[in-house]
Amino acid sequence: DVKVTQSSRYLVKRTGEKVFLECVQDMDHENMFWYRQDPGLGLRLIYFSYDVKMKEKGDIPEGYSVSREKKERFSLILESASTNQTSMYLCASSLSWGLGEQHEKLFFGSGTQLSVL
Amino acid sequence: SQELEQSPQSLIVQEGKNLTINCTSSKTLYGLYWYKQKYGEGLIFLMMLQKGGEEKSHEKITAKLDEKKQQSSLHITASQPSHAGIYLCGASGTSYGKLTFGQGTILTVHP
Repeated sequence: DVKVTQSSRYLVKRTGEKVFLECVQDMDHENMFWYRQDPGLGLRLIYFSYDVKMKEKGDIPEGYSVSREKKERFSLILESASTNQTSMYLCASSLSWGLGEQHEKLFFGSGTQLSVL
Repeated sequence: SQELEQSPQSLIVQEGKNLTINCTSSKTLYGLYWYKQKYGEGLIFLMMLQKGGEEKSHEKITAKLDEKKQQSSLHITASQPSHAGIYLCGASGTSYGKLTFGQGTILTVHP
């Protein structure tokens, strides 16, 4: 089975700090995604990447950036953390571009609960 | 953009009861994914539906996609405490393979 590993389960940061969330997948997937999850809002896509050094904005990219220097690793960066970025962050990967379960099925990490004080 | 609406937002049932969660799309669905999330954890894939009228089952969970491919339902028979969690539907529709998710349904099962 695909394993998607997020570096931290819980993280507490101060307003204004630079925050790095790391995600690693072990199945050579081309696509990687960062979502945030908030009560009543479901999952919202922040950024995604379809190849090394390639990135695309999702629905809510403001205040975030990403880095994908290696195929297996996708990092989410909060340049200057704010309290409204307190949330559960979920990383996911999928095999490759294309429609259908084989390509689209997302494999998720366990999530990082980030609190910004 | 595609929007998914789930109902109900939360559900509390007694163990052994049947229940249904609905997912309605603002646009025709190409593919519809169901995931389950235990509290504070990542999402686990349940099943994917693609064809109008399609129905799939896994253990006591059955998912259906209507003929018009705009609504899906998830039905749990004889619920158990292990079924508790958050159920999310996700829709595909672009060549990038991005999924758009509903807001989730919180299921509580009392023993």
